[in-house]
Amino acid sequence: KQEVTQIPAALSVPEGENLVLNCSFTDSAIYNLQWFRQDPGKGLTSLLLIQSSQREQTSGRLNASLDKSSGRSTLYIAASQPGDSATYLCAPPQGAQKLVFGQGTRLTINP
Amino acid sequence: GAVVSQHPSRVICKSGTSVKIECRSLDFQATTMFWYRQFPKQSLMLMATSNEGSKATYEQGVEKDKFLINHASLTLSTLTVTSAHPEDSSFYICSARAPTSGGGTQYFGPGTRLTVL
Repeated sequence: KQEVTQIPAALSVPEGENLVLNCSFTDSAIYNLQWFRQDPGKGLTSLLLIQSSQREQTSGRLNASLDKSSGRSTLYIAASQPGDSATYLCAPPQGAQKLVFGQGTRLTINP
Repeated sequence: GAVVSQHPSRVICKSGTSVKIECRSLDFQATTMFWYRQFPKQSLMLMATSNEGSKATYEQGVEKDKFLINHASLTLSTLTVTSAHPEDSSFYICSARAPTSGGGTQYFGPGTRLTVL
């Protein structure tokens, strides 16, 4: 059974800082991993999908890395902005289709 | 990117009534859709996997007779909460799996907030 842990649970930093959000998972037999953001009371927005054959995936100021062997993924946010404030969720799959979510990192960027 | 819609966005109902929530993939066909429930300050928990034209697969502990799922077309899945009770109040989110380009990315709807009085 896949279990996901995200550290830290909450993070509050001033605008402009570079950030690293951590995700660890127990079942490393995955074919991809997704990172999402969730704004309060809203659904999920897909940020990055990183395939198991990739080590990194980049989209704008976001960079996700994946180390299957150690069961870890990190999301790097460069030059953070107040609009980045949200909860960030990582979701490796369990089996062929199901996604398993961590508790998320609640990020607050202060102007 | 692919768009998934949900309707209604909010619903308030009396205890004992049934509520239907719709999930639509607007610009792609989804053979598989997923239904999640999220309680306040908690993460998403998968309730069931819905495959077009066949019965849904429910996660352990989810009552299939209470949460009826229908996936009658490649763009529409519905979740009906039957005989709703206050403990069913939650945020329900659906997702749809896009075609294999992109490695099977799941796209999520905006969610439906259900309040049972």
